[in-house]
Amino acid sequence: DGGITQSPKYLFRKEGQNVTLSCEQNLNHDAMYWYRQDPGQGLRLIYYSQIVNDFQKGDIAEGYSVSREKKESFPLTVTSAQKNPTAFYLCASGGQGAVGEQFFGPGTRLTVL
Amino acid sequence: DQQVKQNSPSLSVQEGRISILNCDYTNSMFDYFLWYKKYPAEGPTFLISISSIKDKNEDGRFTVFLNKSAKHLSLHIVPSQPGDSAVYFCAASANFNKFYFGSGTKLNVKP
Repeated sequence: DGGITQSPKYLFRKEGQNVTLSCEQNLNHDAMYWYRQDPGQGLRLIYYSQIVNDFQKGDIAEGYSVSREKKESFPLTVTSAQKNPTAFYLCASGGQGAVGEQFFGPGTRLTVL
Repeated sequence: DQQVKQNSPSLSVQEGRISILNCDYTNSMFDYFLWYKKYPAEGPTFLISISSIKDKNEDGRFTVFLNKSAKHLSLHIVPSQPGDSAVYFCAASANFNKFYFGSGTKLNVKP
């Protein structure tokens, strides 16, 4: 089945450690996105990539890094420089076209202790 | 500064009645608008969209209205069902580049 997967669903890390969140899609979409959701807030864009080997900062990129070496994969690293890393992280992919919708993964809840 | 705003954090509606969820935006360059539905601990799922060249788009029980002059869009659900209870996000983009999301409205449909 086509879809977008994120792993793990729950992740715990100690403060000061870097952590990488996985995002994989088999929808053949060119564009991929990382969002962060905090309680009572909407989805805020961290990074996005519209093509392999290229990515742009979103609105809250500080303390995060990404790579896009393959079309299917867009991992997000939460670094120790991110001041408030505990959040729900959502990955999405999208194809160009009339619909323009994004398909979201199930999310990863990161808790930094 | 939020470019897409949903000013009602929650809405409660009786089953069978109409649910109206509202969304306002500030950027006049936005030309594509979407509504997503989200259950707890899951990713949002696409519901319905509208291009700025239209003022209405309908899909079954869901209708989205766009008022460009007021920079306002709304989602109507008729009739509302208990399974519609979820958080609804509106989103907007210019040229399918970045998407900006509102903070969401939690809809509760009471049986």
